[in-house]
Order: sequence, then structure tokens, then C-alpha cells
Amino acid sequence: GIQVEQSPPDLILQEGANSTLRCNFSDSVNNLQWFHQNPWGQLINLFYIPSGTKQNGRLSATTVATERYSLLYISSSQTTDSGVYFCAVELDSNYQLIWGAGTKLIIKP
Amino acid sequence: GAGVSQSPSNKVTEKGKDVELRCDPISGHTALYWYRQRLGQGLEFLIYFQGNSAPDKSGLPSDRFSAERTGESVSTLTIQRTQQEDSAVYLCASSLPLGPAPDTYEQYFGPGTRLTVT
Repeated sequence: GIQVEQSPPDLILQEGANSTLRCNFSDSVNNLQWFHQNPWGQLINLFYIPSGTKQNGRLSATTVATERYSLLYISSSQTTDSGVYFCAVELDSNYQLIWGAGTKLIIKP
Repeated sequence: GAGVSQSPSNKVTEKGKDVELRCDPISGHTALYWYRQRLGQGLEFLIYFQGNSAPDKSGLPSDRFSAERTGESVSTLTIQRTQQEDSAVYLCASSLPLGPAPDTYEQYFGPGTRLTVT
């Protein structure tokens, strides 16, 4: 089956730093989503991004479907950005999401 | 409006007992999903309900797992004869029906039920 790999697995930064999280996938996908799971376990959808670039405040994401990767950029990190960032892909027109293992981000004040 | 709610938030049970987990989706969301998240890992798909269609149960790990949903409302996930490997957070999500606008697919997650089997 399709493999979804995220890197780095862990990232510790000082407040104000910028970061780039990567998601590689092993097969063609119909769609790709980025999620943030806060330290209390709540999952929030950040981007629905099958291709191209989207921006939302300090966060932006780029998916290059032909090269099978997506990047999540976080600028001017804040402590509230801490948590785990997941990439999940949707195969063909199947609604099922295949999830990566996540990148655990810790932002220190 | 209210988001997705789940109950209980925490459940500790003895090996071999049955447990029932509940999910209340967002009103108007016809699609409902159950996932399992083991410690430090991503989510595993368990089951999907869409309106009155037959559910997709392809992700259920064994016949000890079952789920029901009445219409477009509450869903329950039942685990029979629990085993220690069932310990995980069980997450429920709901979404609007799949349609031509891809963003209508966005899944909204509940807070999860943390299940511990001793």
C-alpha cells in the first residue's frame, strides 16, 4: 500500500523561528491534507491541498503532486504552534485518509 | 455551533470486558468516521458511514470491533472482549457529504476517547 513519510519526526525551536515540515508519499494521491494535533489531542484541519500553494496567516503549504511531496511552512513560531503535525493523503476518489506518523514540534519561549 | 463530541473522554476497563464509545457528529454532517490512534502514531481508519449507505468497515481490525449509526446522528463503536492492544485514543470525525467542491470534504474531529485496557 501507499507509504506516507513525514520528516523530521521531532523538531524543537525557539519562539520566533521558522520551520519546514515535509511529507513524502509513495504513490499518486487524489488529495492531501495537513492537520495539527495540539498537546490536548484535538485535531484541527490546516490545509486541504492536492497541489499548488495555500497560505493562512503564518502557515503555508505547498504540494508538488508530480514529485509526490508536500511542505508545511510555519513562520515566526509561537508556543501555541506546539503539537504534532500530520499529513494525510486520499487515494483516488476514496474518502479514506492514509496518515503519516507526524512531526512533533515543540516551540520554546 | 457545537462541534463533534465524544464520550466518555477516558475509559479504563479490564481485559475481556466489552466497551462502548459514543460519537455525536456536527448537525447536518452526513459522513462520520472512526479512527484509532496509538501512542505516538498517526491515525488508523476504522469505519466510515455516509448517510443511509452501507458503511465501509474495511478498517476494523477484528470481528471484536463493530459500529452502528442511526440515520445521520449518533454513532457507537463497540469493542468486545477487550485486549491490551486495544488501548489507544479513539477519534471520531464528521464531514459534509462528498460533493463537487473539495473543501466540503473537510473532516472535523472530536476530542477522542482514551481507552486503557488493564
